[in-house]
Amino acid sequence: EPEVTQTPSHQVTQMGQEVILRCVPISNHLYFYWYRQILGQKVEFLVSFYNNEISEKSEIFDDQFSVERPDGSNFTLKIRSTKLEDSAMYFCARSLTDTQYFGPGTRLTVL
Amino acid sequence: GENVEQHPSTLSVQEGDSAVIKCTYSDSASNYFPWYKQELGKRPQLIIDIRSNVGEKKDQRIAVTLNKTAKHFSLHITETQPEDSAVYFCAEVNFGNEKLTFGTGTRLTIIP
Repeated sequence: EPEVTQTPSHQVTQMGQEVILRCVPISNHLYFYWYRQILGQKVEFLVSFYNNEISEKSEIFDDQFSVERPDGSNFTLKIRSTKLEDSAMYFCARSLTDTQYFGPGTRLTVL
Repeated sequence: GENVEQHPSTLSVQEGDSAVIKCTYSDSASNYFPWYKQELGKRPQLIIDIRSNVGEKKDQRIAVTLNKTAKHFSLHITETQPEDSAVYFCAEVNFGNEKLTFGTGTRLTIIP
């Protein structure tokens, strides 16, 4: 399957700081997603992005979160003021139809 | 809302034996059911999926069955090997939206 890259692989930040996680998807994919996985738990949906707009978002995706595709290529997830409970793996995913493929993830650690 | 229950949470199987993981879902509008394998510290990797117009699908040692009436689907791994050890997640997608709703995962351990 075509690769999706994510940067950074690991981000350590202080509580209250802003973080930006990046995903570089394949250009011909239509749908992009962000998921998170708290250590030892299941994968949880955050937001889907279609045609440069948010298509759907979960209850987790509150005002502290935002997504952008600033240059038409990279797909970013911003957390404005991180909390301890934001510590998790964050996965970007992409799809053409209903099959979703995940990137390698960014491990976010909030101290 | 969507809800997916997955059982068992842990499963130990002797190498060469079969493993079965079961999931149930609540929304009758669900129409796509993928299974993901996640090794420690890695991404979830799609291993097989099934759509609601099909009752069974097989890919080498892996098979998935779907019972729409009972709203459950199962993953079957035959002739298990040590490299099958991982956490397996079922998921479903509801017709009309795109998000994956995951089960709680099954930690499968293959005993050599």
